[in-house]
Amino acid sequence: DIQMTQSPSTLSASVGDRVTITCRASHSISSWLAWYQQKPGKAPKLLIYKASSLQGGVPSRFSGYGSGTEFTLTISSLQPDDFATYYCQQFHSYSTFGQGTKVEIK
Amino acid sequence: QVQLQESGPGLVKPSQTLSLTCTVSGESISGGDHYWSWIRQHPGKGLEWVGYIYYSGNTYYSPSLRSRITMSVDTSKNQFSLKLSSVTAADTAVYYCASTKLLFFDNWGQGTLVTVSS
Repeated sequence: DIQMTQSPSTLSASVGDRVTITCRASHSISSWLAWYQQKPGKAPKLLIYKASSLQGGVPSRFSGYGSGTEFTLTISSLQPDDFATYYCQQFHSYSTFGQGTKVEIK
Repeated sequence: QVQLQESGPGLVKPSQTLSLTCTVSGESISGGDHYWSWIRQHPGKGLEWVGYIYYSGNTYYSPSLRSRITMSVDTSKNQFSLKLSSVTAADTAVYYCASTKLLFFDNWGQGTLVTVSS
């Protein structure tokens, strides 16, 4: 099994901050990584796929980077709508999610 | 835009079989553009992939659940289904269905809570 580890688990930030979340894979997954945003009581929403490709309709302040075992999701200027929990997912070998990173208001 | 809607009982007794259906609109399941997936989320916890199915019937299941899962497709109804046998309280979760492209999940249903309890 490929394990996915996100850091931090919780992140406190203010509107306008630049925010970066890290996801590490236990084995190389090339660029087979996606990022999702989930708000309470709602289904996750796809933000990024293949490590750096922005899903249609997702604001350009979201960006993804990385390959192999280390990946990042960056929000360039945090907006009120961005306070949520973020998950990475590998799809190199079956599928595994990270444990999530909650972005909360500072 | 693909839309998905889960349906099924919200309460299942221990040792019984959980059965859920996902109805797809906006795209034909047999069109071949997507795989079709189930993902679950235990209360207050993270996401767990359950399995994928293709319109042809090819299936890929989570190794940890493989012995208890059956997924199927009904192309005439544009639906796909999940059966999870011998359930316990550990199977209590919100179950999501999702369209799957290159094995990431690009459209999700709203989710349905299934509670396992006597």
